[in-house]
Amino acid sequence: GAVVSQHPSRVICKSGTSVKIECRSLDFQATTMFWYRQFPKQSLMLMATSNEGSKATYEQGVEKDKFLINHASLTLSTLTVTSAHPEDSSFYICSARDRTGTTEKLFFGSGTQLSVL
Amino acid sequence: SQQGEEDPQALSIQEGENATMNCSYKTSINNLQWYRQNSGRGLVHLILIRSNEREKHSGRLRVTLDTSKKSSSLLITASRAADTASYFCATDKTNAGKSTFGDGTTLTVKP
Repeated sequence: GAVVSQHPSRVICKSGTSVKIECRSLDFQATTMFWYRQFPKQSLMLMATSNEGSKATYEQGVEKDKFLINHASLTLSTLTVTSAHPEDSSFYICSARDRTGTTEKLFFGSGTQLSVL
Repeated sequence: SQQGEEDPQALSIQEGENATMNCSYKTSINNLQWYRQNSGRGLVHLILIRSNEREKHSGRLRVTLDTSKKSSSLLITASRAADTASYFCATDKTNAGKSTFGDGTTLTVKP
């Protein structure tokens, strides 16, 4: 089945630094990828939709200058948390949809646990 | 706010028993999907049911959809300890992959 690789799986950083998270579709092309944030024991909250070759679409309340998304190719989207603060600590997950298939399924990365000290 | 609401929030059963989780949503949808998440991991797709379907099966999983009540249920039969995980429903209004996730049900299957 389709595989989405997300890296790193865990990152600890100091307050004020920036952190980049990568999401790659390994065996399919994804024109659209999605980024979510998940707090402990809570559901996934969609942050933004990442479109290949164009600007990301952010959900209401998500700061686009804080969470920079780049979708430079059909297999790679990155989320950069800029000037991270402790309140940005969370579990971040990406997902992608296979553009070549007819399935409506989303394939998820394994997530990144961000801890900001 | 999340469209999907799931109940129960937590469910604890013995191995071999059946587990039923419910999901309700508020707006019309194109499809509804169920996912599983092990602690600290990404989500794994379990089953998709389209708005014109009423029931689907996949192995030990059975999903129903009642669009008149805007609700769905996931039944796991003959549960195993390995089924212990959180289960989320997700609704897609536009078929574009932008899904809205429910609050999830945490299932614990005791051996």
